Amino acid sequence: EAGVVQSPRYKIIEKKQPVAFWCNPISGHNTLYWYRQNLGQGPELLIRYENEEAVDDSQLPKDRFSAERLKGVDSTLKIQPAELGDSAVYLCASSPVGGGNSPLHFGNGTRLTVT
Amino acid sequence: AQSVAQPEDQVNVAEGNPLTVKCTYSVSGNPYLFWYVQYPNRGLQFLLKYITGDNLVKGSYGFEAEFNKSQTSFHLKKPSALVSDSALYFCAVRDAGGGNKLTFGTGTQLKVEL
Repeated sequence: EAGVVQSPRYKIIEKKQPVAFWCNPISGHNTLYWYRQNLGQGPELLIRYENEEAVDDSQLPKDRFSAERLKGVDSTLKIQPAELGDSAVYLCASSPVGGGNSPLHFGNGTRLTVT
Repeated sequence: AQSVAQPEDQVNVAEGNPLTVKCTYSVSGNPYLFWYVQYPNRGLQFLLKYITGDNLVKGSYGFEAEFNKSQTSFHLKKPSALVSDSALYFCAVRDAGGGNKLTFGTGTQLKVEL
């Protein structure tokens, strides 16, 4: 099966600019996650979708971050405007169902550098 | 609140020697436990998981992990390390009682040398 696909792989922008990341999950996976991974740290959840519904966005900085998952398949994560502290790797993951013992399948991530 | 501790930032081991990467967890109910591996510039790859039952779990690439409920630990092990095992390893926990949040540790860098 094809894995989780993310684009772009790398993005360099100046602060205050907008940026968007795209994710295509594994076919048939209803649950989609966006994580942020800072250097030397483990991934931290930003938002979780069950189909097209955002069921956990408690860690998403809503003043500048937004996400959508139209039609319950692909998802986009946006930052506007970006700040220096947003430099990190943004990981998308999917699983057949949320919770339980299902492991997450991760994409290769988008490395964002804000200058 | 649930948490995961990986007390070692880095573990060094000689090729052919056994390796252990430590993980302890805290969760209110019974745990689902996971190990992931991350190679440079790649996403996390699932290695193995503990659900219930046998305390010794076998996973991909010859890795195994031992669940110890009394010590709330889930250490990752391999009998004979390979240079190609060098990577960043993450332990993660989820509450089996119905919580959906998966919490990761801070990671342990494994370096296997010739």
